[in-house]
Amino acid sequence: GAGVSQSPRYKVAKRGQDVALRCDPISGHVSLFWYQQALGQGPEFLTYFQNEAQLDKSGLPSDRFFAERPEGSVSTLKIQRTQQEDSAVYLCASSSTSGATYEQYFGPGTRLTVT
Amino acid sequence: EDQVTQSPEALRLQEGESSSLNCSYTVSGLRGLFWYRQDPGKGPEFLFTLYSAGEEKEKERLKATLTKKESFLHITAPKPEDSATYLCAVQAYSNNDMRFGAGTRLTVKP
Repeated sequence: GAGVSQSPRYKVAKRGQDVALRCDPISGHVSLFWYQQALGQGPEFLTYFQNEAQLDKSGLPSDRFFAERPEGSVSTLKIQRTQQEDSAVYLCASSSTSGATYEQYFGPGTRLTVT
Repeated sequence: EDQVTQSPEALRLQEGESSSLNCSYTVSGLRGLFWYRQDPGKGPEFLFTLYSAGEEKEKERLKATLTKKESFLHITAPKPEDSATYLCAVQAYSNNDMRFGAGTRLTVKP
């Protein structure tokens, strides 16, 4: 079956613009995660959903970052008033277990460049 | 605070030259340790989950092992297609996220 998909794959935004990044998880996966990956580093956790409920948003770096998953499937990560330090690859992952105890399957990521 | 340190940062091998990658971790209550492979421009690809000290898992030329303080990813007779960045991550019982190391960038020369 299809894996996790993300769109767009690349996004260039001018500083101060708002962006929206989309994630389509593997069908039927209850858990969905967003990570931020800087060049040469491992992914860093941003937020976690179980179905439509956002259970953990402790990794969101500022109140400019907002995520939603209104119907428990597709998720959107929104960044308002983008800054240069927001430039990174944003990865989405999904998992089949509600307890988030098992492996997560990642999408290809969205590379965001803020100019 | 949970921490994951991977070494070496980069490793260059000749085809067929076996070696090991290290992942040292500190975590309050390990729920699981995960190994991923990441190719340039792609998302991490799941390899293994290890749950308890002494556990081992194998897949083709890769074998992952776990102790209470570290995990090793052993690569036997690597091929050029094994070239990638290998990421280690831990998950604690107390939270939902995975804490990743910075990765080991492996290059296998033919």
